Amino acid sequence: DAGVTQSPTHLIKTRGQHVTLRCSPISGHKSVSWYQQVLGQGPQFIFQYYEKEERGRGNFPDRFSARQFPNYSSELNVNALLLGDSALYLCASSRYSYNEQFFGPGTRLTVL
Amino acid sequence: QKEVEQNSGPLSVPEGAIASLNCTYSDRGSQSFFWYRQYSGKSPELIMSIYSNGDKEDGRFTAQLNKASQYVSLLIRDSQPSDSATYLCAVINTNAGKSTFGDGTTLTVKP
Repeated sequence: DAGVTQSPTHLIKTRGQHVTLRCSPISGHKSVSWYQQVLGQGPQFIFQYYEKEERGRGNFPDRFSARQFPNYSSELNVNALLLGDSALYLCASSRYSYNEQFFGPGTRLTVL
Repeated sequence: QKEVEQNSGPLSVPEGAIASLNCTYSDRGSQSFFWYRQYSGKSPELIMSIYSNGDKEDGRFTAQLNKASQYVSLLIRDSQPSDSATYLCAVINTNAGKSTFGDGTTLTVKP
């Protein structure tokens, strides 16, 4: 079975722009979570979606939003990009909201 | 104080030794506990999950959970140089809709 896929792999944006990151979960997984990881730190939780509903939100500003589609894929949107948004954005899928999460390869976002 | 605390390391052990990694968490409502391994430049890879108090063994890895002490540990037996990586502890509180990772412990296994 294919693992979690994310697109794009790398992205360069300038301050103030908008970005959309995409994630396809493992087949049969109904939950998708998004994380931001900067060098030297663990992943920081942004959102969890389960069965197309938001189940959890981390401590991120309203510039961050997400949604989950009927096929369980997901998008993370970030508006009004700041330099500090430069990070590795990770998507993880799980069968349910509480069990093992499997990570995709990530999207490396650079904001100039 | 971070919600999930890990010793940052680096932890260095000789090949064949036992590596012991520790994690404490503050949210008593947490129900699910995980250990991930992350190689430099890669995404986290799941090693173990544990949901109830006690030990859980999988090959060379043993996870231990003590909810009363809010403590999770990972033992790696017969450590190999390929085990050199950053090990992340993660906890999930489903009721709160929250997933929290520690900042990881860097392990180096020397041949």
